Amino acid sequence: DTEVTQTPKHLVMGMTNKKSLKCEQHMGHRAMYWYKQKAKKPPELMFVYSYEKLSINESVPSRFSPECPNSSLLNLHLHALQPEDSALYLCASSQNRGPFATYGYTFGSGTRLTVV
Amino acid sequence: GENVEQHPSTLSVQEGDSAVIKCTYSDSASNYFPWYKQELGKRPQLIIDIRSNVGEKKDQRIAVTLNKTAKHFSLHITETQPEDSAVYFCAASRGFKTIFGAGTRLFVKA
Repeated sequence: DTEVTQTPKHLVMGMTNKKSLKCEQHMGHRAMYWYKQKAKKPPELMFVYSYEKLSINESVPSRFSPECPNSSLLNLHLHALQPEDSALYLCASSQNRGPFATYGYTFGSGTRLTVV
Repeated sequence: GENVEQHPSTLSVQEGDSAVIKCTYSDSASNYFPWYKQELGKRPQLIIDIRSNVGEKKDQRIAVTLNKTAKHFSLHITETQPEDSAVYFCAASRGFKTIFGAGTRLFVKA
């Protein structure tokens, strides 16, 4: 299995809702990432998990809450989002085993989120 | 903060011509430089990468060059085909952090 699977593919939520995005990979990658991508822009890093521990939080608002239950799963819990949070949320994984050896990403297809 | 500049933002070429995209990075500690291709409505996909101890790498019709001194790296696509049409992102990485360029929208006209 060489894929990163994200669910759902599309999500519409109100500003008072709570929802979760899910990401799964079975490539044995120990680094997993959440990125946010606005239309016609590059992906922006949100969170990095290494060996199921949060390594990087790029000053993301607390209405986004990541979770890594095990080495294959990554969740992003959403609460009280704003319309400007509407974007494509991409999960990625890589072979990085620490902060020094860097590898490319395998991205999931993303969740297209619309906040109304 | 660290950034990656990418040029041009849009590139239109005739099928069979070559395309060149150039990037400049600011963090001298960056040691890994991947290139991603993103077709409309799809995920970014890694197409080629280069590490800081290598000056050039080639994979069929695509090649990357890296000038560490000048902090420049470039993507070269030869014999372009319509299916090469996409947005291309360069990136500079250090550890877990990857900074992406703004992207180049490549159009290959048949």
